[in-house]
Amino acid sequence: DAGITQSPRHKVTETGTPVTLRCHQTENHRYMYWYRQDPGHGLRLIHYSYGVKDTDKGEVSDGYSVSRSKTEDFLLTLESATSSQTSVYFCAIEGPGELFFGEGSRLTVL
Amino acid sequence: GEDVEQSLFLSVREGDSSVINCTYTDSSSTYLYWYKQEPGAGLQLLTYIFSNMDMKQDQRLTVLLNKKDKHLSLRIADTQTGDSAIYFCALASNTGKLIFGQGTTLQVKP
Repeated sequence: DAGITQSPRHKVTETGTPVTLRCHQTENHRYMYWYRQDPGHGLRLIHYSYGVKDTDKGEVSDGYSVSRSKTEDFLLTLESATSSQTSVYFCAIEGPGELFFGEGSRLTVL
Repeated sequence: GEDVEQSLFLSVREGDSSVINCTYTDSSSTYLYWYKQEPGAGLQLLTYIFSNMDMKQDQRLTVLLNKKDKHLSLRIADTQTGDSAIYFCALASNTGKLIFGQGTTLQVKP
C-alpha cells in the first residue's frame, strides 16, 4: 500500500451545506492531487498541491477549495455543495514515476 | 487543449484476448500509462510505455504505441475473470499533469 487514506469514504449531504474531504499520506511526498470521477468523463483534476501552503487549480476547480497546512494532509472543501458535485473523489500522491491513489470518497448531494 | 478518448465498454470471453484502445490529440508525455480500477477501489498503475518505444510486453500485457496516429493500445492475452475492471489510459499534458481517458469497462464472461 502507498500509505494514502481518504475520509470519509461515504457521505450524503444536502445542497448548500459545506463538506470537507481529507486525504492523509504517510509517504512524505511533495505532490498531492484531488480528482473527481464521473461516468463518461474519467478522472478530472480539481486541485493539486506541490508543497505546504502551495496549491493550484486543475481543470474543474470551480466550487472547490483546498488547503495543505501539513505535508501529510490535503483537504478538499466544498463551501456550498450542489447536486452537480455528486461524484467519487480520489486523492493521489505522486511517487517516483507514478501516481498512487486512495480508495475514493463517494459524495452524494441531495 | 489535450484530449484523451477511449471506448467505454468491452466484453470478451474468458481465455480470449482483449484489446483496449486509446487515442489522444497531443502529448509531450515522456511516458504513457495504463491504470486499472477494480470495483470500489482506487486506480493502480498497470503498465506504462516510454514515448520513444513502439511496443512493450509484460507477461500477459502488450502495450502498442503509434505516435504517428496518436494511438495507444493495451492487449491482455488469455483474459481472466479477474481482469474485469475499468482501464484508463493516461498521459501528461503540457502542464505536466496527467490527463485520463474516460475509462474502458472490461467485462469478462466465463
